[in-house]
Amino acid sequence: QVQLQESGPGLVKPSQTLSLTCTVSGDSIDTDAHYWNWIRQHPEKGLEWIGYIFHTGVTHYNPSFESRAVISIDASKNHFSLNLTSVTAADTAVYYCARAAILVASRYFDPWGQGTLVTVSS
Amino acid sequence: EIVLTQSPSILSLSPGERATLSCRASQTVRVNSLAWYQQKLGQAPKLLVFGASNRATGIPDRFSGSGSGTDFTLTISRLEPEDFAVYYCQQYSGVLPWTFGQGTKVEIK
Repeated sequence: QVQLQESGPGLVKPSQTLSLTCTVSGDSIDTDAHYWNWIRQHPEKGLEWIGYIFHTGVTHYNPSFESRAVISIDASKNHFSLNLTSVTAADTAVYYCARAAILVASRYFDPWGQGTLVTVSS
Repeated sequence: EIVLTQSPSILSLSPGERATLSCRASQTVRVNSLAWYQQKLGQAPKLLVFGASNRATGIPDRFSGSGSGTDFTLTISRLEPEDFAVYYCQQYSGVLPWTFGQGTKVEIK
């Protein structure tokens, strides 16, 4: 059974960098089969895709985040990470990681991690 | 960017009733690359339907998806108590960024 687990600080100061890691178990991230994604959800609001990384290091970002988000991968630890720079209160959200298959017809998000709440506040 | 608009925002129904949720896309969603997710309070979204009409593994057959092009529907034939939740549609076509609808909350009447 594939499981994803987010980890990282729950509180970040304004203007600093939000850093999260997603650890994958039950599957190897070092294959051609999947994209590894970050998605966030503002409190009481909808869902927003941030971007993905492929095991080769190829990334694609939502233009809304392109100047601030960096996704990286560490195959030796079977995890991938998100850095979001220059955060503001608007970045307070639950952050999820999720897997998507590489086949065009199968790029839905499944499974998801349980999510981690990050609050931006001084 | 493909904008997904879900309606209604809130659906008030009783257990045993039929729920019909709509998701309309601002442009054609190619290859019917449309998924539906269920989210309960404090939990991550859970995949229900992919490819517009294919139920995910373990999803009861009271959930069904339909539609193509720009208009998609999720139907819950007979609401069970555990079905009261928020439902999101999402497009994963070749048009990036991948986007979600704003959600439909199915609440107990």
